[in-house]
Amino acid sequence: AQKITQTQPGMFVQEKEAVTLDCTYDTSDPSYGLFWYKQPSSGEMIFLIYQGSYDQQNATEGRYSLNFQKARKSANLVISASQLGDSAMYFCAMRAARSNDYKLSFGAGTTVTVRA
Amino acid sequence: GAGVSQSPRYKVAKRGQDVALRCDPISGHVSLFWYQQALGQGPEFLTYFQNEAQLDKSGLPSDRFFAERPEGSVSTLKIQRTQQEDSAVYLCASSLRPRAGSINQPQHFGDGTRLSIL
Repeated sequence: AQKITQTQPGMFVQEKEAVTLDCTYDTSDPSYGLFWYKQPSSGEMIFLIYQGSYDQQNATEGRYSLNFQKARKSANLVISASQLGDSAMYFCAMRAARSNDYKLSFGAGTTVTVRA
Repeated sequence: GAGVSQSPRYKVAKRGQDVALRCDPISGHVSLFWYQQALGQGPEFLTYFQNEAQLDKSGLPSDRFFAERPEGSVSTLKIQRTQQEDSAVYLCASSLRPRAGSINQPQHFGDGTRLSIL
């Protein structure tokens, strides 16, 4: 079983600044994938970025980057140059690379509020 | 449409009534998932379909919950004899055909159905 921990229930960030959202995980699977999703108040879960456990480089996608530290079992999301539209709830999720297990396990989420 | 479509957007039912929630996945997506999201929490897995086959229903909380995808496209999540603890947002997600060792395919989610049981 996988467990995802997001210890920051809420964060405030000034517009144009960077913010780091923490995510730690626990799994016995040797191979796995880590995902970050954004959930605005409208409710839709929007995929942001993916990191594979055997990827040599940290994933980047536009203003999103992942600080992946495998030995520490952490996969923190960095949002650079924050915008007002970044205000939302952010979820870290993972799935094992087993052929019969496709479900995502989610953390409790972190609410980000961007201030003008 | 381009994305996952769920209906209704909101559903209010009295305790004891049966409800049916619909999910229309992205065209061509083989995999379909249902998740339950309590207020202020992350989504919790309910069940998974690959085409019309329900391969994993380990997350269904009781036998009052039933899901189907008879033709491998649209799926329905049915909750019988609803209880107040069933109040939550029910999210549907779809993804492309799974391949062995390929875990980087993201799941694409709908807007969810917010279910309130009175």
